[in-house]
Amino acid sequence: EADIYQTPRYLVIGTGKKITLECSQTMGHDKMYWYQQDPGMELHLIHYSYGVNSTEKGDLSSESTVSRIRTEHFPLTLESARPSHTSQYLCASSGGRRTDTQYFGPGTRLTVL
Amino acid sequence: AQSVTQLDSHVSVSEGTPVLLRCNYSSSYSPSLFWYVQHPNKGLQLLLKYTSAATLVKGINGFEAEFKKSETSFHLTKPSAHMSDAAEYFCVVRYYNNNDMRFGAGTRLTVKP
Repeated sequence: EADIYQTPRYLVIGTGKKITLECSQTMGHDKMYWYQQDPGMELHLIHYSYGVNSTEKGDLSSESTVSRIRTEHFPLTLESARPSHTSQYLCASSGGRRTDTQYFGPGTRLTVL
Repeated sequence: AQSVTQLDSHVSVSEGTPVLLRCNYSSSYSPSLFWYVQHPNKGLQLLLKYTSAATLVKGINGFEAEFKKSETSFHLTKPSAHMSDAAEYFCVVRYYNNNDMRFGAGTRLTVKP
């Protein structure tokens, strides 16, 4: 069944640790996205990719980095986590046509102590 | 600046009564419009989308929305609320450059028995 997966679903870590949030989709979509969502707030785009070896920064400045080595995989990395990084991170993908829908993963809720 | 505004941060209705969640957008171009729902600890799920076809769009779970260009609105409605409809609802506008999706701040729907 085609879907989009995120792991871990929840993560609590200490300050200064390096973390990678995983996102994978089995829909063959070219475009993938990372959003950050604080509680009760709207989503903000932090990274997107149009395909393999393509990555761009989104509207909201983020200290995280992303990579797109394989079509189905779009991991997000924080080299040194801080409490200000505490948030929910949502991954999405779309098929690439202008009006195509973005499909979202379940999200990763990150808490940095 | 292009934006999307959800006019109510919180809506409370009784089970069996109609639901109205309001959304206005600003755009110089004909946008694509979406409504997503987010249940607690779940990812975003697409309810419906408007992509320049019929102005009245029917979605899942009995929801529908009407695109009114003259009012730049895309309000979400449902004739009769169920307890399971309690969730956060996001209005989303996609502009012509495809990667630019603007999320509203969200409306939390509470359904009372």
